Amino acid sequence: NAGVTQTPKFQVLKTGQSMTLQCAQDMNHEYMSWYRQDPGMGLRLIHYSVGAGITDQGEVPNGYNVSRSTTEDFPLRLLSAAPSQTSVYFCASSPSGTLSYNEQFFGPGTRLTVL
Amino acid sequence: GQQLNQSPQSMFIQEGEDVSMNCTSSSIFNTWLWYKQDPGEGPVLLIALYKAGELTSNGRLTAQFGITRKDSFLNISASIPSDVGIYFCAGRIMEYGNKLVFGAGTILRVKS
Repeated sequence: NAGVTQTPKFQVLKTGQSMTLQCAQDMNHEYMSWYRQDPGMGLRLIHYSVGAGITDQGEVPNGYNVSRSTTEDFPLRLLSAAPSQTSVYFCASSPSGTLSYNEQFFGPGTRLTVL
Repeated sequence: GQQLNQSPQSMFIQEGEDVSMNCTSSSIFNTWLWYKQDPGEGPVLLIALYKAGELTSNGRLTAQFGITRKDSFLNISASIPSDVGIYFCAGRIMEYGNKLVFGAGTILRVKS
């Protein structure tokens, strides 16, 4: 298993550009989520999905869209990039179930810079 | 905003020393998790705690779910150079819809 994969690894955007961060997992996990990591702030939840066709907002959803058309993929879209979205983005997945649901597997991250 | 207070922010210790870090909150948690992040990588789960008072070990790591359900600690015994990294606590609280919230992290540097 490749686990959780993210592409691209690095990206530089200009203000106002749009792009999609890709996330895929091959573990048949139901639960997937997107976080951003900023210095001194830990990880903050952007959006999450409890299964194909179901998404919900996290703590910091503004400026981001998600969709979950398949179990494997959970792309994150930046609609109009802003410098405040410069961050490291992590995708995570976990299996369903009362306890195993907690044990999230993280991808390697995408480092995004918005100029 | 941040609902977890993690301390210390960073540590610089001698190889072989024991390390202790903790997370506290004003909210009651259902679950406490401890992750480690190596440079350039995503966080990796170290220990998961599911009930108040629970004490769990994973090799040289030991973590406890506080009795009040508002705190947790992580201890690392006999630290070695590969312990370097950022350690995050995380937990689930009912008032946040059981979504996972993270502490700001403890940066651990080991002096060999």
